[in-house]
Amino acid sequence: AQSVTQLGSHVSVSEGALVLLRCNYSSSVPPYLFWYVQYPNQGLQLLLKYTTGATLVKGINGFEAEFKKSETSFHLTKPSAHMSDAAEYFCAVSVMGNQGGKLIFGQGTELSVKP
Amino acid sequence: GAGVSQSPRYKVTKRGQDVTLRCDPISSHATLYWYQQALGQGPEFLTYFNYEAQPDKSGLPSDRFSAERPEGSISTLTIQRTEQRDSAMYRCASSFLIDSEQYFGPGTRLTVT
Repeated sequence: AQSVTQLGSHVSVSEGALVLLRCNYSSSVPPYLFWYVQYPNQGLQLLLKYTTGATLVKGINGFEAEFKKSETSFHLTKPSAHMSDAAEYFCAVSVMGNQGGKLIFGQGTELSVKP
Repeated sequence: GAGVSQSPRYKVTKRGQDVTLRCDPISSHATLYWYQQALGQGPEFLTYFNYEAQPDKSGLPSDRFSAERPEGSISTLTIQRTEQRDSAMYRCASSFLIDSEQYFGPGTRLTVT
């Protein structure tokens, strides 16, 4: 079975500071990994995904994440936070095949950005 | 359509009533998912459709929950005899193929009083 753990339900950073949101996963087969962002009153939007190949994945809005199999991690980073990055972020894992593409989400991390 | 739409956006109902939520996916998308998101939690998978087939409904919490997609397009999620614990955001997502990116709708916020 697959599962996702996001460390820290709330993270606060200053504008211009590094953003680091942590995600660890459990999967018995090679996983597909995702980060989604949720702005208030909007649907989830895909930031980036890892399926196969290069382990450092770049996404929208300057975010990137690195798949580390040995650490079962897929942490999300951004070098310099903007006020517009304030939102809730979800890490998710998926396994293809007869399970379809269903996503298993972590509990989410709310990011606050201080001026 | 331009994106995934869901209706209603908000629904308040009394315990014991039935409710039906609607999802209108992106028109070319074969696959449609339903998720339930409790307050302060991540979305949890309920069921999915590939066209009109429903290969997996393992996430439906009880037999009070059912979903349909009779023509492989619009889908409905029905909750019978609602209970307070059914209060949540219900999210729909669609994807072009089963392993393609999922596009999420804005959700339906259900409150059972």
